[in-house]
Amino acid sequence: GENVEQHPSTLSVQEGDSAVIKCTYSDSASNYFPWYKQELGKRPQLIIDIRSNVGEKKDQRIAVTLNKTAKHFSLHITETQPEDSAVYFCAAPSSGGSYIPTFGRGTSLIVHP
Amino acid sequence: DGGITQSPKYLFRKEGQNVTLSCEQNLNHDAMYWYRQDPGQGLRLIYYSQIVNDFQKGDIAEGYSVSREKKESFPLTVTSAQKNPTAFYLCASTFLGGQTEAFFGQGTRLTVV
Repeated sequence: GENVEQHPSTLSVQEGDSAVIKCTYSDSASNYFPWYKQELGKRPQLIIDIRSNVGEKKDQRIAVTLNKTAKHFSLHITETQPEDSAVYFCAAPSSGGSYIPTFGRGTSLIVHP
Repeated sequence: DGGITQSPKYLFRKEGQNVTLSCEQNLNHDAMYWYRQDPGQGLRLIYYSQIVNDFQKGDIAEGYSVSREKKESFPLTVTSAQKNPTAFYLCASTFLGGQTEAFFGQGTRLTVV
């Protein structure tokens, strides 16, 4: 099955700084890589995703980059704001032809005002 | 409103008791999943189902059981065999085989009393 490693586990930044979270995956057949944001006590929600036919995707202050050769993808948040504070999860599909969402362990992002 | 609904939001279990968590979706998704969330451990897969009347064990299935009698419903029973059931439980659903966004329920926080 898929193995997804996510780093760092905790990230503390000052408001206005950038934040980068990285994930690696093991299955070279994977071709869909979403990022989810989970606020305290709430459900995870998709914030951005990328498919293997592109290397980068941006949506306002967030971006995702994908390096299929190295099997890693990253979430970039620029001009961080206190409301960006949350747990972020990356995911990759498991192998075997069926899509089973497999998640990283999560990164707790804290943005200090 | 399309979505995925979990109930109850909070649940208390006595020692030796079985409890059932409800998950219903009206997104017409074929695949449904149960995840357990503990601090620092991300989302761990308990069970998943890709078709009615069929389901598969995930990484931490011991002490849990599920059923999938209807496409819309995927209840999870936490049995007395689960020795450490206190956790946040999340149900999710996706389209089958398309490697698409996972939609999550709002979660059930289970506590042993």
